[in-house]
Amino acid sequence: DAKTTQPPSMDCAEGRAANLPCNHSTISGNEYVYWYRQIHSQGPQYIIHGLKNNETNEMASLIITEDRKSSTLILPHATLRDTAVYYCIVRVRSGGSNYKLTFGKGTLLTVNP
Amino acid sequence: GAGVSQSPSNKVTEKGKDVELRCDPISGHTALYWYRQRLGQGLEFLIYFQGNSAPDKSGLPSDRFSAERTGESVSTLTIQRTQQEDSAVYLCASRDQGLAQNNEQFFGPGTRLTVL
Repeated sequence: DAKTTQPPSMDCAEGRAANLPCNHSTISGNEYVYWYRQIHSQGPQYIIHGLKNNETNEMASLIITEDRKSSTLILPHATLRDTAVYYCIVRVRSGGSNYKLTFGKGTLLTVNP
Repeated sequence: GAGVSQSPSNKVTEKGKDVELRCDPISGHTALYWYRQRLGQGLEFLIYFQGNSAPDKSGLPSDRFSAERTGESVSTLTIQRTQQEDSAVYLCASRDQGLAQNNEQFFGPGTRLTVL
């Protein structure tokens, strides 16, 4: 799986958009970008994933650059409950144990009142 | 419906003792994973179960670690002769293998293991 680089921490004001960057310059053509988050003392939670097109769901939007070497997770209206560590992962969508996840240290997003 | 549950939520044990951690996956999820997360670190894969296939044990750090799964339900992770380095949060996740277009894993709350 391709390596990702994320800033260790970010701050955001409550109600504002949080934009979390991720660099994945060695991503392969068949690798997807996944985002998970982990709120303190809880298990990781899936947020969103994409291949090359921008994606949006009820939690967030994912913007992937045209060359696919970087992406941005956008939380449009951050709340205090969005304070968590956010993990960006790139991986193939093959079967079996290749679905296993490997997280780095992620970005600690702190949403301030 | 119920999510993934794990028990106990916290376990404190003495070095050298054996511990058993339990995971109840979401009903109907055929794939089950165990991970370990040390304090301030990312996620380490331990083992993967899928139906009746042989499990992928490639992430188990030593032969003191083992895991079993009964059919497509409960799984137990056993650590024998625990060491202080085993202290971590042990996370279980399950996934519906039948959803070919969905790679989402649902995680339990984890078991925090402290080895004194």
